[in-house]
Amino acid sequence: EAQVTQNPRYLITVTGKKLTVTCSQNMNHEYMSWYRQDPGLGLRQIYYSMNVEVTDKGDVPEGYKVSRKEKRNFPLILESPSPNQTSLYFCASGGTGANVLTFGAGSRLTVL
Amino acid sequence: SQQGEEDPQALSIQEGENATMNCSYKTSINNLQWYRQNSGRGLVHLILIRSNEREKHSGRLRVTLDTSKKSSSLLITASRAADTASYFCATAPYGGATNKLIFGTGTLLAVQP
Repeated sequence: EAQVTQNPRYLITVTGKKLTVTCSQNMNHEYMSWYRQDPGLGLRQIYYSMNVEVTDKGDVPEGYKVSRKEKRNFPLILESPSPNQTSLYFCASGGTGANVLTFGAGSRLTVL
Repeated sequence: SQQGEEDPQALSIQEGENATMNCSYKTSINNLQWYRQNSGRGLVHLILIRSNEREKHSGRLRVTLDTSKKSSSLLITASRAADTASYFCATAPYGGATNKLIFGTGTLLAVQP
């Protein structure tokens, strides 16, 4: 089944404790992206990647890092999480030339 | 940056009625898409309309696009309780990076059985 898999789905952590949210897709998509969703603000793009080793900032990249060492994986790294990063995070992927995105099920992160 | 603004923010209807949601955007686009999100879940792509198209249908969905007014509407006919979800428009800006989408804030649709 074609899908985007995120882990963990739920995480409660404390300020400053580094964490990684993994994202993997099995559709051989070149494009991958991370969004955060907050009430009243819709989805805002954090980082995106056009292909392996090619990443770029989205609209709200501060406090986040990403890497794209393999085509299928695009982890989101929070080096020193803060409470304002409490949010629902989505990973998405898309094929070349197409704008349609396939989303993961989401990762709800709480930073205390 | 926000591109799409959906209207209304929330909509409650009875099963069998039609639901109409609107989206306005700010810049020229290559295409506009609608996505559905069930509570707390990932977004699911519903339909894509290109900038040179005015209307598109998919099952009970009808999407219109007016590029002169920079607006789109999504009509769900004969709604069902299972249509209860949030609906988001997303625009692909003209000249933007491939796959770059900008999402609006969504319309929460509640279909009462």
